[in-house]
Amino acid sequence: QQPVQSPQAVILREGEDAVINCSSSKALYSVHWYRQKHGEAPVFLMILLKGGEQKGHEKISASFNEKKQQSSLYLTASQLSYSGTYFCGTAIMNRDDKIIFGKGTRLHILP
Amino acid sequence: ETGVTQSPTHLIKTRGQQVTLRCSSQSGHNTVSWYQQALGQGPQFIFQYYREEENGRGNFPPRFSGLQFPNYSSELNVNALELDDSALYLCASSLGRGVDGYTFGSGTRLTVV
Repeated sequence: QQPVQSPQAVILREGEDAVINCSSSKALYSVHWYRQKHGEAPVFLMILLKGGEQKGHEKISASFNEKKQQSSLYLTASQLSYSGTYFCGTAIMNRDDKIIFGKGTRLHILP
Repeated sequence: ETGVTQSPTHLIKTRGQQVTLRCSSQSGHNTVSWYQQALGQGPQFIFQYYREEENGRGNFPPRFSGLQFPNYSSELNVNALELDDSALYLCASSLGRGVDGYTFGSGTRLTVV
């Protein structure tokens, strides 16, 4: 049930864009996105619900394709502070289901 | 509002021993989820508690057990520690079982020797 994230790692220069993908073999109710910096706790970015719209947060947005059971996180004009590991978490059954996380995508932004 | 607090931050135990990790949830949150995170991996779901009842369990043996108290704080207990139990243990609290996202604590780094 663990979602699959791609790519595993990305290296960008400041100002470039990135896309991180998350896919599941099961129908999804919701997708969460978190960012974790080295030695710190994961921080909630956004949640996308079944039947919901694309979400945005400053220059970070995400989409959710229910039919393909996929979600993508878009990082536009990346900043040094965007560096970290990004995790998607998925809930399958309903809004009360546990969140299962992928293995993460490591993003490193160079100046 | 206070965030999620976990204690202790670091712990070293010997194989075969027992350990208790503690978590104080964010004010107003009624759900606590526990995750195990190995180095370089994503958080692995252990179990979740909602209003003092276990609400789902991951693929962990029965020697991993937990509790949630009336103030919604929580404990994770691990018996008969094994070397593979060495990991970062994360506690996350939420309102309404996660529909608004989780707030994670900074974790307890457990080392089993």
